[in-house]
Amino acid sequence: KQEVTQIPAALSVPEGENLVLNCSFTDSAIYNLQWFRQDPGKGLTSLLLIQSSQREQTSGRLNASLDKSSGRSTLYIAASQPGDSATYLCAVSNAGGTSYGKLTFGQGTILTVHP
Amino acid sequence: DAGVTQSPTHLIKTRGQQVTLRCSPISGHKSVSWYQQVLGQGPQFIFQYYEKEERGRGNFPDRFSARQFPNYSSELNVNALLLGDSALYLCASSAHLGFVNQPQHFGDGTRLSIL
Repeated sequence: KQEVTQIPAALSVPEGENLVLNCSFTDSAIYNLQWFRQDPGKGLTSLLLIQSSQREQTSGRLNASLDKSSGRSTLYIAASQPGDSATYLCAVSNAGGTSYGKLTFGQGTILTVHP
Repeated sequence: DAGVTQSPTHLIKTRGQQVTLRCSPISGHKSVSWYQQVLGQGPQFIFQYYEKEERGRGNFPDRFSARQFPNYSSELNVNALLLGDSALYLCASSAHLGFVNQPQHFGDGTRLSIL
């Protein structure tokens, strides 16, 4: 059974800092890993998707890396801004089986960036 | 283009009642998945439907059921509601059954409160 863990559970930083969010998963047989952002009371916005054959993906100030063999991913946010404040979730999709649409999520990291 | 739309946005029910939640995927998307997100946790997979057939089921009781219509919209039904069913119910769509190279797109969810 796939389990996804995110560390830290919460993070508070001053504006302008670079920061790293961590995600680990127990079963390395994955199709891909996605990072999502969730604002309070809202749905999920996909930030980055890394295929199992890839090592990293970048979008603007965001960079996500994937080490499938060790079951780890990191989301790097450069020059953080108050607008980055949200909950960040990572999710993996497992290869094989019959639940093709199943994403397994971590519990999220609540990020607060203060001015 | 419209994103994934869900209705209603909020719903209040009492224990023992039944509820139907609705989801319209992004135009051209044929796969719809449902997730339950309890406050403070990551989303949990409930169902995936593709081309009107169930293609994946999470670890939820038979009180939960769903279906997909010819226009690819979907309904999630929950019978005999329990207090523990209070959650944000999220719908996600993707173009194809296998989504190795594509992210899932989420709606803003339906907030269900059970009294």
